Amino acid sequence: GAVVSQHPSRVICKSGTSVKIECRSLDFQATTMFWYRQFPKQSLMLMATSNEGSKATYEQGVEKDKFLINHASLTLSTLTVTSAHPEDSSFYICSARLGLAGNTIYFGEGSWLTVV
Amino acid sequence: RKEVEQDPGPFNVPEGATVAFNCTYSNSASQSFFWYRQDCRKEPKLLMSVYSSGNEDGRFTAQLNRASQYISLLIRDSKLSDSATYLCVVSDTGRRALTFGSGTRLQVQP
Repeated sequence: GAVVSQHPSRVICKSGTSVKIECRSLDFQATTMFWYRQFPKQSLMLMATSNEGSKATYEQGVEKDKFLINHASLTLSTLTVTSAHPEDSSFYICSARLGLAGNTIYFGEGSWLTVV
Repeated sequence: RKEVEQDPGPFNVPEGATVAFNCTYSNSASQSFFWYRQDCRKEPKLLMSVYSSGNEDGRFTAQLNRASQYISLLIRDSKLSDSATYLCVVSDTGRRALTFGSGTRLQVQP
């Protein structure tokens, strides 16, 4: 069964609205979660590293005011796409590392966002 | 230059064929190496880790050459179910996130 649950799996929203995507670690605590974005036929690109209880670390070129990340608990991180635009339509996926130094990374099922 | 480079393919092979994928990475500080498999419109799933000594898991064999910063994946006796995109993935200890190649698409044909 899934150890990282992501919701919603698909969402369609209107331009200018905001969309929240949730990522939950099941049965383990994740102090760090990672958010990726994948455009069609392209690689997964790291957007930000979500740290429990502190601010997220964003990759170069990712607007922190547009992609709001909150990691308020050890099992939940959320990504909010604010003022969504059609160019934001993509596959968003989170992952969590099991253990502080472990190499096991689990991915959520991903969320398909379509902005119309 | 991309951090992780892969031939995008597609590789179209008949069932039972042996196919090899290659990958190069640019960050010499990379410490961990993986092959992930991604089916269409799904999340990536770990296929296998890659160790310096090379490792095998059933029909899959992975090799790592740190000097050349090169990783390979060999699939023997290809099955229809092997059709997917194979992602070369590296990680460095400091960053702890994964860096993905763009993937190599494999299509196994009956």
